[in-house]
Amino acid sequence: NAGVMQNPRHLVRRRGQEARLRCSPMKGHSHVYWYRQLPEEGLKFMVYLQKENIIDESGMPKERFSAEFPKEGPSILRIQQVVRGDSAAYFCASSMTSGPNTGELFFGEGSRLTVL
Amino acid sequence: SQKIEQNSEALNIQEGKTATLTCNYTNYSPAYLQWYRQDPGRGPVFLLLIRENEKEKRKERLKVTFDTTLKQSLFHITASQPADSATYLCALDPSYNQGGKLIFGQGTELSVKP
Repeated sequence: NAGVMQNPRHLVRRRGQEARLRCSPMKGHSHVYWYRQLPEEGLKFMVYLQKENIIDESGMPKERFSAEFPKEGPSILRIQQVVRGDSAAYFCASSMTSGPNTGELFFGEGSRLTVL
Repeated sequence: SQKIEQNSEALNIQEGKTATLTCNYTNYSPAYLQWYRQDPGRGPVFLLLIRENEKEKRKERLKVTFDTTLKQSLFHITASQPADSATYLCALDPSYNQGGKLIFGQGTELSVKP
């Protein structure tokens, strides 16, 4: 039973380019979360999605960042016009349920973005 | 302001000893608190969850306590092994409505020497 799959594992972009990170949740999970881990910092919540819906994007930067979880296919985190400060590890997590009984999150191995 | 803090310094212990990691939080009333393990270059892996009405929870060599009065959780690894070396993260759910929106501490790096 495959876990949370993220790709690419490593991505290098030059300033001004676009980065697209993909996440396929665990089988049977319909709740997807994106977190960012900056060097020497903790994991920070970015966005929570269900199929075709953004539930909570309170952790997303106001500009250049967007996320989607279409009816078919993986969830996508898109960063437009990347800057050096976007260099970080981006983790996707999934859960089977939501709300107060969500319990554990299952994390992918992350996508490490380096902006030159 | 709301904060969640873990021991900022790395913890170095000898194999076979008990490792104790601390997680303190302020201005939250979480329904539960979780502990994760993260190895370098890898994603976090869930270890234990303890609810607000539970004082202690165990899983093999792991033990977690949760004191809602002190606003503190302690994470213990007994009979530690070099393979336990990793960064350990505590996380809490600040809202009763969205279980996956967790607030993470910065993590404590544990090194177990043979």
